[in-house]
Amino acid sequence: EAGVAQSPRYKIIEKRQSVAFWCNPISGHATLYWYQQILGQGPKLLIQFQNNGVVDDSQLPKDRFSAERLKGVDSTLKIQPAKLEDSAVYLCASSFNRGTNEKLFFGSGTQLSVL
Amino acid sequence: AQSVAQPEDQVNVAEGNPLTVKCTYSVSGNPYLFWYVQYPNRGLQFLLKYITGDNLVKGSYGFEAEFNKSQTSFHLKKPSALVSDSALYFCAVRDSRRSNDYKLSFGAGTTVTVRA
Repeated sequence: EAGVAQSPRYKIIEKRQSVAFWCNPISGHATLYWYQQILGQGPKLLIQFQNNGVVDDSQLPKDRFSAERLKGVDSTLKIQPAKLEDSAVYLCASSFNRGTNEKLFFGSGTQLSVL
Repeated sequence: AQSVAQPEDQVNVAEGNPLTVKCTYSVSGNPYLFWYVQYPNRGLQFLLKYITGDNLVKGSYGFEAEFNKSQTSFHLKKPSALVSDSALYFCAVRDSRRSNDYKLSFGAGTTVTVRA
């Protein structure tokens, strides 16, 4: 089966600019997650969608980050304006449902460098 | 609050030797525990999980992990390591009491290097 698709693979921007990432989950997966992975740290959940509704966005910096999942399929994550500390790999993941024992399928990520 | 600690940043072993990657956790309720592996320039891949039942869990690529409630640990093991096992390994935990989300807390990761 096709995996989780993410684009772009790399992005370099200057601080205060805006950037957007795109994710297409595995077909049929109702739950979609965006994680931020800073170098040397484990992934941190930014936002979780169940179909097109937000389940958890408690760790999303809402003053600059936004995400949407129109039609409950693909999703975009936006940062505006970017800060130096936003430099990280942004991982998208999906799961069939949001059951407690569901395993997540991750995309290859978008590596963001903010200069 | 839930958290995971991976006390070793790096683990180095010779090919054919046993491999152990350590993980300890902290949750309020019962833990759901996972191991993921990340190869260079790739996303995380699921290895195995513990939800309930037998404390020894077997997963992909010959890996297994042992759940120890008294020590709050979930160490990943492989009896005979391969060079291809060289990667970044993450332990993750979810508190079973959290019923409204699926927030996994990941450890900082352990880099495994298997030398030929």
